[in-house]
Amino acid sequence: DAKTTQPNSMESNEEEPVHLPCNHSTISGTDYIHWYRQLPSQGPEYVIHGLTSNVNNRMASLAIAEDRKSSTLILHRATLRDAAVYYCILRDWGTYKYIFGTGTRLKVLA
Amino acid sequence: DVKVTQSSRYLVKRTGEKVFLECVQDMDHENMFWYRQDPGLGLRLIYFSYDVKMKEKGDIPEGYSVSREKKERFSLILESASTNQTSMYLCASSSSGTGFWEQYFGPGTRLTVT
Repeated sequence: DAKTTQPNSMESNEEEPVHLPCNHSTISGTDYIHWYRQLPSQGPEYVIHGLTSNVNNRMASLAIAEDRKSSTLILHRATLRDAAVYYCILRDWGTYKYIFGTGTRLKVLA
Repeated sequence: DVKVTQSSRYLVKRTGEKVFLECVQDMDHENMFWYRQDPGLGLRLIYFSYDVKMKEKGDIPEGYSVSREKKERFSLILESASTNQTSMYLCASSSSGTGFWEQYFGPGTRLTVT
């Protein structure tokens, strides 16, 4: 299974953009890139996903490198409520299975 | 609002006990999953089910079994609990109709085996 690598932790100031990187150099052509986040004392929640093109939704943007070996989750204006562990996950299109990494703990400073 | 509920937030059991963790979803989802979450290891898939009475092993099924008699309910069973099964257990569900894009997670059950 392809793996993802993320920094253990990052810090951001409130109301500033945050760029959370993820490396997935062994990604296959049929792997989707998903991002989830886990707020304290809660289960993970879906943030965004993509295959090849950049994606935007109300929560975030996903920028995918042209060679697909890396991606970046962009939070446009971090708030204190965005403090969470962010997981970058690969999923083969044909399976139900997510491969979770250990995630990046984002700390947002007031 | 989409909802996945788990029977307990916290559970303490003794070594050797049989333990049942229950998960219920109200979204009519076909797929349900059990994960365990341990510090430094992320989430690891134990079992999943893509239909009633259907199940498949995940990455770490040893010491666990599952039951899905009704579409909305997925149970994780620890036949004989051991201390190395102390962990956070998370249940999730997803719809096959959306192409598995999104898994909805419950709040988790923190199990301590003493």
